[in-house]
Amino acid sequence: DAGVTQSPTHLIKTRGQQVTLRCSPKSGHDTVSWYQQALGQGPQFIFQYYEEEERQRGNFPDRFSGHQFPNYSSELNVNALLLGDSALYLCASSGRREMNTEAFFGQGTRLTVV
Amino acid sequence: DAKTTQPTSMDCAEGRAANLPCNHSTISGNEYVYWYRQIHSQGPQYIIHGLKNNETNEMASLIITEDRKSSTLILPHATLRDTAVYYCIVRVASSNSGYALNFGKGTSLLVTP
Repeated sequence: DAGVTQSPTHLIKTRGQQVTLRCSPKSGHDTVSWYQQALGQGPQFIFQYYEEEERQRGNFPDRFSGHQFPNYSSELNVNALLLGDSALYLCASSGRREMNTEAFFGQGTRLTVV
Repeated sequence: DAKTTQPTSMDCAEGRAANLPCNHSTISGNEYVYWYRQIHSQGPQYIIHGLKNNETNEMASLIITEDRKSSTLILPHATLRDTAVYYCIVRVASSNSGYALNFGKGTSLLVTP
C-alpha cells in the first residue's frame, strides 16, 4: 500500500500564475482533504471532497479550488498566486464510512511563490 | 469544534516517559480527542484518539480526565525519533461533520540524549 501520494514534491511559481497540485488517496479511502501549512504554523483546512463534490470548506478565498476524480484522486488549484500562498500543501485521505478513525497524510507539496 | 490549549514546547530525556498535556475545557459530549504528530518536513501522523475512556496503542497512551476538560498523551519510552510537533485536536466524528482538523500550533517536543 503506497499510502497517500502527492505530486510534485516541490514547485516554484511566479506571482500571478496558476498552479495545480495532485493527490492520490490511500487504497480504500474515498475522501480527500487539503490543508495549507505556512512556515511555523499548524496545517489549516482548505476543503474536503467526496463523491466528486466539495463538501466542506475552510476560510480560503475562491482562488483555491479543487476537483475529485472517479478514482478518488484529487487536484488542488490555486489561481492568481500571491507571495503569501507559499506554503506546504498537504493532502489527507480518510474513509467516508469510517468517520471515527484517523486521516492519513501525504508528505506534501512545497510551493514557493516568487 | 472545541478549542485546545497546549504548551508551546517541552523537553524529555531519551528513555523517559514524555507526558504532553492538553486543555479542552469547552469540549462537548460528542467530541473526540485526537492526537497527531508532525516530524520535521513530513505530513502529520495519527497517534491515538479517545472519547472518555483511556486508550492505549502501540505508539502511546491517552489519559482523559473524568470531566473530559483535559487530557495527556503519554509516550512511555521516548526516543530521539519522537522529536516532533504534537497536536491535540478535538472534533466531532460523524458522517455530517466531514474531516476538518483544527491543528492549532501544537507542542514542540524535543527528546534529548
